[in-house]
Amino acid sequence: AQKVTQAQTEISVVEKEDVTLDCVYETRDTTYYLFWYKQPPSGELVFLIRRNSFDEQNEISGRYSWNFQKSTSSFNFTITASQVVDSAVYFCALSERVGTASKLTFGTGTRLQVTL
Amino acid sequence: GAVVSQHPSWVICKSGTSVKIECRSLDFQATTMFWYRQFPKQSLMLMATSNEGSKATYEQGVEKDKFLINHASLTLSTLTVTSAHPEDSSFYICSARPGFSYNEQFFGPGTRLTVL
Repeated sequence: AQKVTQAQTEISVVEKEDVTLDCVYETRDTTYYLFWYKQPPSGELVFLIRRNSFDEQNEISGRYSWNFQKSTSSFNFTITASQVVDSAVYFCALSERVGTASKLTFGTGTRLQVTL
Repeated sequence: GAVVSQHPSWVICKSGTSVKIECRSLDFQATTMFWYRQFPKQSLMLMATSNEGSKATYEQGVEKDKFLINHASLTLSTLTVTSAHPEDSSFYICSARPGFSYNEQFFGPGTRLTVL
């Protein structure tokens, strides 16, 4: 069975600090997808990134960057120069084929609090 | 594009009543829709997967007679919580997977159900 672990339950940083959110996953499949979502207080999930298992290139999007390392089964997310608007719960998720369907398994989430 | 709506966004009902939540894909056809439940400060847990025109597949521990899912068309799925009780109070989120993409899911904004 697939599993996603986000060991950090809550993180508090002061604005402009960099912060890294950890994600470790377990899967038996060789083909899978990894995702990061942001859930602000409104509750609506905001898609941040999708990465397939064959693409280990790191990605940067503005203040966001992702580090995918298959060797350690990790897909970590870094926010550079954090802002108050980054305060939210962040979920890492794994999509894996189950029979003819695919299934998304979420980690437990990391609550990020950015203060002034 | 790829917008998913949910209605209602929140609902309060009395114990013992049934509540129906609609999930619509507005600009694409969704071959598969998913229903998740999220309790406060917890992760999203998949409840069931529904394919248009066929019976939903429920996750272990989810009562199919209590949570009725109908995927009547390629753009609409409904979740009916029958004989709701206070322990059913939760945030219900649907997602839709378009036919052209195996691993993408587009999430609705969620429905907050409170059972008194």
